[in-house]
Amino acid sequence: DIQMTQSPSSLSASVGDRVTITCRASQGISNYLAWFQQKPGKAPKSLIYAASSLQSGVPSKFSGSGSGTDFTLTISSLQPEDFATYYCQQYNSYPWTFGQGTKVEIK
Amino acid sequence: EVQLVQSGAEVKKPGESLRISCKGSGYSFTNYWITWVRQMPGKGLEWMGRIDPSDSYTNYSPAFQGHVSISVDESISTAYLQWSSLKASDTAMYYCAREVEAAGTVYGADYWGQGTLVTVSS
Repeated sequence: DIQMTQSPSSLSASVGDRVTITCRASQGISNYLAWFQQKPGKAPKSLIYAASSLQSGVPSKFSGSGSGTDFTLTISSLQPEDFATYYCQQYNSYPWTFGQGTKVEIK
Repeated sequence: EVQLVQSGAEVKKPGESLRISCKGSGYSFTNYWITWVRQMPGKGLEWMGRIDPSDSYTNYSPAFQGHVSISVDESISTAYLQWSSLKASDTAMYYCAREVEAAGTVYGADYWGQGTLVTVSS
């Protein structure tokens, strides 16, 4: 199985901060990577697919980059509604696997 | 409007069987795969498997293969996740999601169901 490792596991940030979350795959996955946001008690929400393409309706403050084994999710200016847990997922090869999550908290 | 609506919360005893559902609407059900994801209490997301509603072709994670079954009834645009013998460790929230795949290229999940909470306790 491909292991997905996110860093950091949690972070504290202030409104307006630029936040970057990293996701590393244990082997190359081309650009078959998605990012999801999950708020407490809610279903995940799809943010990005193919490493850098925004899902419909997702604001442009979210951006993704990377290819191969190293990927990043960036939130350009953190807003109160962005405090949540973020997950990456590879869908290059079965079984598809998620990172362990990064919890973004208010400083 | 695309929607995935899952069945309601379930409370079961160990050893019992269960089938939960995920009904798609607002799109052509057979044109998109359905994937199932588990989230145990306080934990992260785990991919369980996926099904192509057009032909019921499935792929399972080895971690879940043999313990769950994924199926569809395309006539009612509904996908199912089924257990024949539940364990206490199956207690979790289960999500379905729609996945885009075109010309053999997967584009990942775009819409999610609201989740079904399954509690297994004696």
